[in-house]
Amino acid sequence: QVQLVQSGAEVKKSGASVTVSCKASGYIFIDFDITWVRQATGQGPEWMGWMNPNNGNTAYAQKFQGRVTMTKNTSTNTAYMDLSDLRSDDTATYYCARVINRGMDVWGQGTTVTVSS
Amino acid sequence: QSALTQPRSVSGSPGQSVTISCTGTSSDVGGYNYVSWYQQHPGKAPQLLIYDVTKRPSGVPDRFSGSKSGNTASLTISGLQVEDEADYYCCSYAGFWVFGGGTQLTVL
Repeated sequence: QVQLVQSGAEVKKSGASVTVSCKASGYIFIDFDITWVRQATGQGPEWMGWMNPNNGNTAYAQKFQGRVTMTKNTSTNTAYMDLSDLRSDDTATYYCARVINRGMDVWGQGTTVTVSS
Repeated sequence: QSALTQPRSVSGSPGQSVTISCTGTSSDVGGYNYVSWYQQHPGKAPQLLIYDVTKRPSGVPDRFSGSKSGNTASLTISGLQVEDEADYYCCSYAGFWVFGGGTQLTVL
């Protein structure tokens, strides 16, 4: 079945970087864009950026420009999201999602990132 | 890129209908027919209910319907069931995506 499986929980210090992976299966990876969304506890989702796995094109939310990088490895059908210069308010659950018709139809299970000082 | 505005909470009894509103601007909700809605149960990832304002992915019951008027989109859930109790989020695509703050649905 179509699924996205993300890497496990991370605990990081302020100022560090984190990489979250998102492995796709059950469909042709390069045929659908991948987007990244994060959600702090008790808050609504927040869009971080988007990547086209076919050509590697990306677009990032203004808030994360300069701190986020989205990449892919088409040989392993995996998307990656790197977030640098972590601060306490980056503590959240990070999701990857497949984009279809401007909606997000398949979501990863989420990766909890905790940033401590 | 301000978040879309949703009511914090709504409630209804089993079998009733409820409508959740989502207000944006002419730059997002009002300017594009790309509103989507998501259901999220505690500790789970969001699930797509509606895309392109009114369309349902396969597997989503027709009790869930979407609409839009001007800068406000709406999600209507008819024939409420206990399992519909969850958080609901709207989202609009406008070259980027912006989400609403979420609405907690309580089924009394």
